[in-house]
Amino acid sequence: DTEVTQTPKHLVMGMTNKKSLKCEQHMGHRAMYWYKQKAKKPPELMFVYSYEKLSINESVPSRFSPECPNSSLLNLHLHALQPEDSALYLCASSRTRTVNEQFFGPGTRLTVL
Amino acid sequence: GIQVEQSPPDLILQEGANSTLRCNFSDSVNNLQWFHQNPWGQLINLFYIPSGTKQNGRLSATTVATERYSLLYISSSQTTDSGVYFCAVELSTGTASKLTFGTGTRLQVTL
Repeated sequence: DTEVTQTPKHLVMGMTNKKSLKCEQHMGHRAMYWYKQKAKKPPELMFVYSYEKLSINESVPSRFSPECPNSSLLNLHLHALQPEDSALYLCASSRTRTVNEQFFGPGTRLTVL
Repeated sequence: GIQVEQSPPDLILQEGANSTLRCNFSDSVNNLQWFHQNPWGQLINLFYIPSGTKQNGRLSATTVATERYSLLYISSSQTTDSGVYFCAVELSTGTASKLTFGTGTRLQVTL
């Protein structure tokens, strides 16, 4: 099973809201990733978790807060977002951060009003 | 940082035609993946190919790491092949690995 699941599929939120995106994999992978993709652009890396520890933060604003409660789950907490944060948010996982064939979830399409 | 350029940026094919997509990268990489992003945004793994040639049905890929390029061949294209094709390269920075995506090739296959 090479499935990564993400919820919700779509999210609309106001600039004062707090929401969370969720990602789950049951492939026993120990590295998980968040990417952001704007329309007609390639995905851009935001965060990397390796063995439930934050390994890379690509200078992402603090209004995005990642969390890895266990090896199967990855959350992205959102607070005080701006309209320019509207994008497709993709989660991925790989066996480890050095064995790096990444498998992606279907994404959450976020709109910030 | 590393530059990953794909060509052509846009491609329109008639069903049944063949095509070659190219990915050039500016530095040595540990690995390379090819993805197909469908119209709903799902990134589908096509190949994990640090070097050499692989084939999967109508698709095949070749990476020449020493010359810093990879090619994706699509034969007998179908309308379901439409979407955006990305190559992505893996860099190892010592403490972690990063996947950097290319600029993408947008493919439309028409009847």
